[in-house]
Amino acid sequence: EAQVTQNPRYLITVTGKKLTVTCSQNMNHEYMSWYRQDPGLGLRQIYYSMNVEVTDKGDVPEGYKVSRKEKRNFPLILESPSPNQTSLYFCASSLRGTQYFGPGTRLLVL
Amino acid sequence: GDSVTQMEGPVTLSEEAFLTINCTYTATGYPSLFWYVQYPGEGLQLLLKATKADDKGSNKGFEATYRKETTSFHLEKGSVQVSDSAVYFCALYNYGQNFVFGPGTRLSVLP
Repeated sequence: EAQVTQNPRYLITVTGKKLTVTCSQNMNHEYMSWYRQDPGLGLRQIYYSMNVEVTDKGDVPEGYKVSRKEKRNFPLILESPSPNQTSLYFCASSLRGTQYFGPGTRLLVL
Repeated sequence: GDSVTQMEGPVTLSEEAFLTINCTYTATGYPSLFWYVQYPGEGLQLLLKATKADDKGSNKGFEATYRKETTSFHLEKGSVQVSDSAVYFCALYNYGQNFVFGPGTRLSVLP
């Protein structure tokens, strides 16, 4: 089954404790991206990747890192999480402009 | 940069009513335009898309036409159902750049 998976689905952490949210797709898509969704602000792109070893900042990259060492995986790294990074995060992969979204990761930073 | 504006709602309709959700955009070049839908507790799913001017995307009774002269991509459905209750996002994509989403419009359909 073609899909985008994210782990974990839910995470509660404390300020400053590094965390990684994994994202994997099995559709051999070149384009992958990370979004955060906040009430009243809609969906905002954090980082995107056009291919392996090629990443670019989206609209809200501050406080996040990504890597793209292989085509299927695109982890999101929060080196020192802060409460303003509490949000719902979505990973997506894309083919010819159509995006396929993962189920989301709800993060709470205390 | 590129941007998408859509009516934020919430929009509340009775079953079988006509739906319009307005979407306008600002972009360089010739972007592709999309409507995505998010049902409660789920991720976003593609509803329909159009890749060039005057294209009409359609799916599940929903339609939207790519109007370059008015830079719009309004979503319409002739008769909504309770099961259409969701949040609808208008979005655009220029090849080689990032995707841009509108703020989303929450639709509630009452029986």
